[in-house]
Amino acid sequence: EAQVTQNPRYLITVTGKKLTVTCSQNMNHEYMSWYRQDPGLGLRQIYYSMNVEVTDKGDVPEGYKVSRKEKRNFPLILESPSPNQTSLYFCASGWTSGHMASTDTQYFGPGTRLTVL
Amino acid sequence: KNQVEQSPQSLIILEGKNCTLQCNYTVSPFSNLRWYKQDTGRGPVSLTIMTFSENTKSNGRYTATLDADTKQSSLHITASQLSDSASYICVVSRGFGNEKLTFGTGTRLTIIP
Repeated sequence: EAQVTQNPRYLITVTGKKLTVTCSQNMNHEYMSWYRQDPGLGLRQIYYSMNVEVTDKGDVPEGYKVSRKEKRNFPLILESPSPNQTSLYFCASGWTSGHMASTDTQYFGPGTRLTVL
Repeated sequence: KNQVEQSPQSLIILEGKNCTLQCNYTVSPFSNLRWYKQDTGRGPVSLTIMTFSENTKSNGRYTATLDADTKQSSLHITASQLSDSASYICVVSRGFGNEKLTFGTGTRLTIIP
C-alpha cells in the first residue's frame, strides 16, 4: 500500500530536550516536505527536499533541522524545542517538476501532534 | 503576494443538502489548483487537481470548478453525508510538481443529521 508514515503520532516533551520525528514514504518520490498546522493559520511549510542530500527552507524553518540521506526518509529534528513549536506536524511526499507524473498530487502522512511544555 | 483565500471559514448544513465552498487566489504563475479534504487530526487527502485548461472535475459527489480568468474555484458537494464533515483546503501550485504550493486556510464544514 502506497503511504507516508510518521512516528511518533503523539509526543509530549519539555523545553530544550532534543527530539526527532521520523517520516518515511514507499512511493519512490523525489520530493518530501514538512508542514506544521496551527489553528487559523493553515498548513505552513517548514522544510522541503527535492531529492537525496538536497534540502531547502520553507516559510517557517526557524528552530528546525532536516536531513535527507535516503530517498524514502526525511526526519524532522528539533534541537531545542520550545513551547511555540507545539503544533500538529505533517510530512508529505510527491513528484517533482521533472517527473512525467508531476501534476500528481502530494501525499500526506497521518500527522504528529507535538506538545512542548 | 501569492495568496489563497477561502470562504466561508465555516459552514453548517443539514445532511442531504448541497453546498459550495469558494476559493480565490492571487498566485502567479498558475500551474494547477487542488482541493484536499482533511478530517480532524488527520492528514489531508486529495479530492481533485485541475490544470489551467480544465474548468471542471468531479470525484464522486465532489465537483470542483475553475475559472482561471477570474482566479476563482469552487468545490460543490452534492447530497452531503455525515462523513463529509471535515476541513476543505484549496491549494494552488505555481509550477509543475509539488515544490511551489500556496495553501488556503480551509473551510470547516459540519454536516448535522
